[in-house]
This record gives sequence, C-alpha cells and structure tokens, in this order.
Amino acid sequence: SQTIHQWPATLVQPVGSPLSLECTVEGTSNPNLYWYRQAAGRGLQLLFYSVGIGQISSEVPQNLSASRPQDRQFILSSKKLLLSDSGFYLCAWRGWAHSYNEQFFGPGTRLTVL
Amino acid sequence: AQSVTQLGSHVSVSEGALVLLRCNYSSSVPPYLFWYVQYPNQGLQLLLKYTSAATLVKGINGFEAEFKKSETSFHLTKPSAHMSDAAEYFCAVESLAGGTSYGKLTFGQGTILTVHP
Repeated sequence: SQTIHQWPATLVQPVGSPLSLECTVEGTSNPNLYWYRQAAGRGLQLLFYSVGIGQISSEVPQNLSASRPQDRQFILSSKKLLLSDSGFYLCAWRGWAHSYNEQFFGPGTRLTVL
Repeated sequence: AQSVTQLGSHVSVSEGALVLLRCNYSSSVPPYLFWYVQYPNQGLQLLLKYTSAATLVKGINGFEAEFKKSETSFHLTKPSAHMSDAAEYFCAVESLAGGTSYGKLTFGQGTILTVHP
C-alpha cells in the first residue's frame, strides 16, 4: 500500500532563518507531487507541483522554493523565512495505478515563524 | 480559471439532523469535483469525487453529493449527523480546460462543521 510521510510535524523558526520540509511517498512510482499551504481561515493554496524528477512548477510567486531530487521525494525550502510563511504545509501525491484523479495527503507540518 | 465557493464558513447542526454543506464552482468545462474532510492538525481525507459518471455520488461515512451542472453546484449532504462528523470540509475542483491539468486542485475556503449533542 501507498503511504506518504512529512517531517517535521511541527516547527518553530525565527524570521530570517532557512527552512527545509521533506515529503516522501512509498509504494508507488512516478507520482505527481504537490505542496499546499493552509493559512488560518484561508483554505488551501497550491504552492508547487511536480510531474517528475527535477520538474517543478510554481503556482504562486513567493519566498519559497521546491525541489524533487528523487522520484518519491519532494522538498520545500526557503533561504530566509518571513512571518507570512507561517501556516500548515501539506504534501500530496497522485498516482496512475488506481484512483487516478485522487490526491492523497500527508499529515502536514505546522510551521510557526516568530 | 476555475474557482470554488463554499457558502458558510461555519455550519452547526444537532446530532441526528441533516447536514448540508454548499459548494459552487466556476469552470469553463465540466470539471472533476471533490469533497475532502480534515480533522484538527491532520491531512485531508477524500470523502467522495465526481468524475463525469453518475451525478449522485456516494462517499464514505454516509456522505453523498450531487453534481448539478445547471446550478454549477456540488453540495455535500448526510441524512443524519454524528458527533464524529465534526471537522472542516473542503470542496475542490480540477478543471480540464486546455488539456492536461496535472491534477492541480483549486480548493474552497472550507466549512467548519460543528455537531451538537
């Protein structure tokens, strides 16, 4: 079966510090991968998506970047965090073996920037 | 570009009462539509989806939704609310306009459902 992991689960960082959030998927190959941010009362906003290794598409101009160094690994980064980067970050994947148009979400990372 | 509107950021019902969460979408072509549920500090779980088959879609936990093209709506219902249904619910659309969407979803703002005993 497929599983998706995110870490860390929670993170408190000072303004101006770097960020690295990691997402890995097990049990599937060549998934589409997505990063979403959920800010309080603002729903989910798609930040990045990837259809393959090294292929990253950005949906919203911002202080963040994403990378996909391996087929099932998706990383969200920032060189210098802003207060506005606080939120709940969710990684998701979509595969092709079954339920081809359903996205499966990870448990999320709660980021607080102080 | 597609958009999703969920009418009512908070809905409160009594246990055993009908649950109705509203979702309207805008899309230039018939989209795929989804309802997800989120419990506090957790990821999202798919409740049900519409992908151009039957317009009445049944999901998990007794939920169902009806796709109404003429009204551009995809409202979520459950005949009898249970305490465990208390959560936040998100409607999402995947538009196929212009060909491949890469699975990108546009989410509504979410509706928090409270169930009173």
